[in-house]
Amino acid sequence: AQSVAQPEDQVNVAEGNPLTVKCTYSVSGNPYLFWYVQYPNRGLQFLLKYITGDNLVKGSYGFEAEFNKSQTSFHLKKPSALVSDSALYFCAVSYGQNFVFGPGTRLSVLP
Amino acid sequence: GAVVSQHPSWVICKSGTSVKIECRSLDFQATTMFWYRQFPKQSLMLMATSNEGSKATYEQGVEKDKFLINHASLTLSTLTVTSAHPEDSSFYICGFFEEFGTRNYGYTFGSGTRLTVV
Repeated sequence: AQSVAQPEDQVNVAEGNPLTVKCTYSVSGNPYLFWYVQYPNRGLQFLLKYITGDNLVKGSYGFEAEFNKSQTSFHLKKPSALVSDSALYFCAVSYGQNFVFGPGTRLSVLP
Repeated sequence: GAVVSQHPSWVICKSGTSVKIECRSLDFQATTMFWYRQFPKQSLMLMATSNEGSKATYEQGVEKDKFLINHASLTLSTLTVTSAHPEDSSFYICGFFEEFGTRNYGYTFGSGTRLTVV
């Protein structure tokens, strides 16, 4: 079965420091991987996706993620965190028309 | 990019009444729509998948008679929570799936509806 794990419920980082939100997946075949961000009482906003091609994917708001097939990971990164990046982040894997979301990681960027 | 309009953004209703949530794709047509439910501090759980012109497919454990889904056209899907109870209070999000080659592959989500049943 396809699954997504986000091992950290909460990540705290100081403003200006680099941030990493971790994601690992378990799928058969070649995965399509996504990151979404959710602000309080809001829907999901698309950040980036990996379908094929370069393992390093650049997305919205300065975020990027690296697809690592050997480690089955797709960690989200940003070189310099902003307080406004504080939100709930979801990793997701797609197979066919189905999406499986990870449990989410709450990112808090401290001023 | 694709835009999805979902409304209402929040609604408070009395126990026993029904609430309808609408989801529209504004600039594209979608044959398949998805409805998710999100409990506080939890991830999104798929409730059902609807295809235009046919009955929705519900996930295990989701009551199809309570959560009525209608996908009347390629741009509109509705979720009606019938005879709502406080335990139905949640955040509901719709999603359209689009696939036009790998560059446009993915979901577009509505902004969500916060339902509170009192």
